[in-house]
Amino acid sequence: SQTIHQWPATLVQPVGSPLSLECTVEGTSNPNLYWYRQAAGRGLQLLFYSVGIGQISSEVPQNLSASRPQDRQFILSSKKLLLSDSGFYLCAWSRPPGTGNTIYFGEGSWLTVV
Amino acid sequence: GNSVTQMEGPVTLSEEAFLTINCTYTATGYPSLFWYVQYPGEGLQLLLKATKADDKGSNKGFEATYRKETTSFHLEKGSVQVSDSAVYFCALTASGGSYIPTFGRGTSLIVHP
Repeated sequence: SQTIHQWPATLVQPVGSPLSLECTVEGTSNPNLYWYRQAAGRGLQLLFYSVGIGQISSEVPQNLSASRPQDRQFILSSKKLLLSDSGFYLCAWSRPPGTGNTIYFGEGSWLTVV
Repeated sequence: GNSVTQMEGPVTLSEEAFLTINCTYTATGYPSLFWYVQYPGEGLQLLLKATKADDKGSNKGFEATYRKETTSFHLEKGSVQVSDSAVYFCALTASGGSYIPTFGRGTSLIVHP
């Protein structure tokens, strides 16, 4: 069966510090990968998605970036965090188009920028 | 483009009450429709899905029917429990073109004993 894990689960970072959130998927190959942010108010904001290694599409211009160094690994980064980056970050995966389109989420990472 | 509209929350119910959370969508073609549930402090979990018109998805006492004529996918449960308190998201993925899921804004459900 397929599983998705992301870490760390919680972190508190000072303004201006770097960020790295990591996500891995097991039990499948060539997944589509996604990073979402959920700020207060519950709505989901798509930040990045990837259809393959090294292929990243950004949905929202900001000081965050994403990378996909391996097929099942997706990393969210920032060089300098802002207070407005605080929120709940969710990694997700789905199978390639045409093979089933359900999206599955990780456990989430709480980021507090102080 | 595609869109999903959910009823505004919070929805507040007493235990054993009947639940309906409305969801309507706009999409080209024949999208797949989903309901996700998010318990406090956790990620989203797939609750149920339907992939074609008139399909009924069901899980844990929840159900939703894919109504193409009304472009709706309302979530229902006959008797809610306190443990059902969570945020519920309606979502779709289009049948062609962009595969990126489209989510509603979420509806918070609070069930009192």
